Amino acid sequence: ETGVTQSPTHLIKTRGQQVTLRCSSQSGHNTVSWYQQALGQGPQFIFQYYREEENGRGNFPPRFSGLQFPNYSSELNVNALELDDSALYLCASSWRAGDYEQYFGPGTRLTVT
Amino acid sequence: GIQVEQSPPDLILQEGANSTLRCNFSDSVNNLQWFHQNPWGQLINLFYIPSGTKQNGRLSATTVATERYSLLYISSSQTTDSGVYFCAVINTGTASKLTFGTGTRLQVTL
Repeated sequence: ETGVTQSPTHLIKTRGQQVTLRCSSQSGHNTVSWYQQALGQGPQFIFQYYREEENGRGNFPPRFSGLQFPNYSSELNVNALELDDSALYLCASSWRAGDYEQYFGPGTRLTVT
Repeated sequence: GIQVEQSPPDLILQEGANSTLRCNFSDSVNNLQWFHQNPWGQLINLFYIPSGTKQNGRLSATTVATERYSLLYISSSQTTDSGVYFCAVINTGTASKLTFGTGTRLQVTL
C-alpha cells in the first residue's frame, strides 16, 4: 500500500510568482485535504477535495486554489506569492470525506523571497 | 470556531521516564487524532480516538468526549520520541476540517 506522496520536497520562489504543489493520495482514498503550517505553529486547514469537488475551505484568500483529478491526486496552486506564504504545505488523504482518519504526506517546504 | 489547547507546551524528559500530554477542546467532536511531528516535518499518525482508550506499544491514549479532553501517555520514553505532538479534532458539523492544537514539544535526553 502506497502512502501519501508530495512533490516537490522544497521550493524557493520570488514574491509575486505562482506555484503549484502536487499530492498523490493513499491507495483507496478519494478525499484530499491541504494544510499550511507556518514555523512554530500547528497546521491550518486550506481546503478539501472530495470526488473532484471542493468540499470545504478554510480562511484563505482566493489566490489559493486547487484541483483534484480522476485518480484522486491533487494540486494546490498559489498565485501572487507573498512573503507570509513561506511555510510547510501538507497534504492529507482519507478514505472518504467526513470524520475518517486523515493520513499526511511528508510536505513541501515553500520559501518566498 | 472550536478551540484546541494542549499542555504542557514544552516537556524535557530523561530517557526511560513516563509522561502525560493533555488536549482540551471547546466543543463536541466526531474525530480526534494524535500525531507526532518529526524533525523533518512529517506528521505520523499515532491514534484515531474520538472516544475510549487505545494502546499501541509504549503509547496509549484516552478520550473522554463528554468532558472534552484527551490524554496521550508515553511510557519508558526514548530519544526517538522527541518532536512535537499534536492533537487535532473535527468539530461536529464542520465537514472534515481538522483543527490542530497548539502542540507539545517533547525533548528526551540521555
